[in-house]
This record gives sequence, C-alpha cells and structure tokens, in this order.
Amino acid sequence: GAVVSQHPSRVICKSGTSVKIECRSLDFQATTMFWYRQFPKQSLMLMATSNEGSKATYEQGVEKDKFLINHASLTLSTLTVTSAHPEDSSFYICSAGRTVEAFFGQGTRLTVV
Amino acid sequence: RKEVEQDPGPFNVPEGATVAFNCTYSNSASQSFFWYRQDCRKEPKLLMSVYSSGNEDGRFTAQLNRASQYISLLIRDSKLSDSATYLCVVNVAAGNKLTFGGGTRVLVKP
Repeated sequence: GAVVSQHPSRVICKSGTSVKIECRSLDFQATTMFWYRQFPKQSLMLMATSNEGSKATYEQGVEKDKFLINHASLTLSTLTVTSAHPEDSSFYICSAGRTVEAFFGQGTRLTVV
Repeated sequence: RKEVEQDPGPFNVPEGATVAFNCTYSNSASQSFFWYRQDCRKEPKLLMSVYSSGNEDGRFTAQLNRASQYISLLIRDSKLSDSATYLCVVNVAAGNKLTFGGGTRVLVKP
C-alpha cells in the first residue's frame, strides 16, 4: 500500500486564489520531504526541500513567497500555491524517504483557470 | 550541461524484443542510482536500484559505469505493459534529495 499520501489528487481553482496540497508519510516519520513539479512531457523538477520544524530550502528560481511550505510534524508537509496563475498549472508531487528509497505521493494535478 | 541526461526516445520496441538505454550523470560524487518508472499522469515508482556490480531483476538488468559516469537499463522479452517513461535518478548525498533525468519513453507494440 501507499506509504506517502498526497491530497487532493486534482484541483481546479480560479486565478488569484490559493491552493493547499498535503503530503503525509503514513507509516514512518519523515524529517525531510521534497516537493517536485512536472510540466507536460517534462521531467520532475525539485522545487524545495521541506524540513520538519525549520524553514524549507528552495531551489533556484522558485519563489518562496509564492510556494509556501510548512512541515509542522514528522508526518505532514503542506505546499500552498498562493495567488495562483494559469502558468502555475502543473503536476505537483511530494516525496519522502525511508532509508535510501524515495516514495512518492500520488501527485496533485493543479489547473488554474 | 544537465546533471542527469537521458535520451527522451521514444524507443519503439516490438513485443518480445530487447531494448536498452543509458543515462549519464555529471557529478562524480553521486552515490546512489535508481531507475524509476512513470506511467502517464501517475507518480514515479521505483523499478530498481543500481549497484556497482550490476544487478538483475527478472527481465530488467541495470548496470553502473562509474568511470564513464553512466548507468544503463536493459529490458528483455518486452511486454506491452513495459510501455512507460523510465526515469534515471541520482542521489548525490544522503538525505534522499534526488536528481531526475528527463526520462526515456518506451513504447512496446504488438
């Protein structure tokens, strides 16, 4: 069964609104989680590293004020896309590791209209 | 130069045939290597880890060449269900911060 659960799987929102995506590790504690974005026919691109109890680390070119990450517990990280625009429409996936293997959430397909 | 590079394909493979493709990585300090499979509109799933000595899992064989900084994946006796995008994934350091290649698309046809 899934060890990382992501919710929601699909969301359609209006331009200018905010969307929160949750990522939970189900049977292990994850001090670190990762958020990726994937545009059609492209590879996964790491957006940020979510650290439990501290600030997230963002990759170059990712706006930290636009993509808010909160990792308040050892099993939950959230990504909030603030003031979403159509160009933010993408597939967002989280991952968490257990030993050397990374497990991925089911992904969230965000469409901003 | 990208950190992890793959031939995007698609590789059109007759059912039952063998297909192989490589992935090159630029960071010589890379420690762990994986092949993930991603089906359309789905999350990636681990296919196999790649060990220095090479490893095999059923019809799938992975090889690592540290000197030339590439890994390979070979699929024997291809099945229609093998059609997917295969992602080369490299972990430079501990902590599961993974770097993905662009993926190689494989299409197995009857």
